[in-house]
Amino acid sequence: KNQVEQSPQSLIILEGKNCTLQCNYTVSPFSNLRWYKQDTGRGPVSLTIMTFSENTKSNGRYTATLDADTKQSSLHITASQLSDSASYICVVGPGRDSGYALNFGKGTSLLVTP
Amino acid sequence: KAGVTQTPRYLIKTRGQQVTLSCSPISGHRSVSWYQQTPGQGLQFLFEYFSETQRNKGNFPGRFSGRQFSNSRSEMNVSTLELGDSALYLCASSLFYPQGSRYQETQYFGPGTRLLVL
Repeated sequence: KNQVEQSPQSLIILEGKNCTLQCNYTVSPFSNLRWYKQDTGRGPVSLTIMTFSENTKSNGRYTATLDADTKQSSLHITASQLSDSASYICVVGPGRDSGYALNFGKGTSLLVTP
Repeated sequence: KAGVTQTPRYLIKTRGQQVTLSCSPISGHRSVSWYQQTPGQGLQFLFEYFSETQRNKGNFPGRFSGRQFSNSRSEMNVSTLELGDSALYLCASSLFYPQGSRYQETQYFGPGTRLLVL
């Protein structure tokens, strides 16, 4: 069973609107949580990295939040642009004791329309 | 600074053949990780190399192998190709290995090699 679940699977929004993507994980313990953006036909690009002690981190119009108690993270995109159309992938990195495995969610496919 | 480069970008092979993919990390980066990405499974970890040593390996059969050279460049080999091996193979580099609570290393991904097995 995948230890990182993302929702929704896909999303269509109008240009200029805000949206929030969700990531629920069961990985424990974990060291950090990352959000990546992957444009079609290209490799993922890191948006944010948060440790378990951080609650929020911003990167321009992207703001990631983390609730380590409920094991939930969200990625909020404000004033969406056409270029935000991409797949957004949540990645949870385990702690030392769990051995190595960056756990990847299957991504949320976002389409921003004019 | 040049990004992560992967060659070739596209590849078509037939079942039973073998293939070698190449990855050149960002200059100065010593860790290279390989991933397989398919629409159904998303990104799956293959293996990671650091200073020419394989540090970690995912749950893939032995047909998948790799190596890293002294200049940090890495190659991935898949033998006896199967139809299910058709995927985008991504390479990512970082200064140090991306695991562990002490490190928050950003991984930089290459554009990937799209492999089609017929």
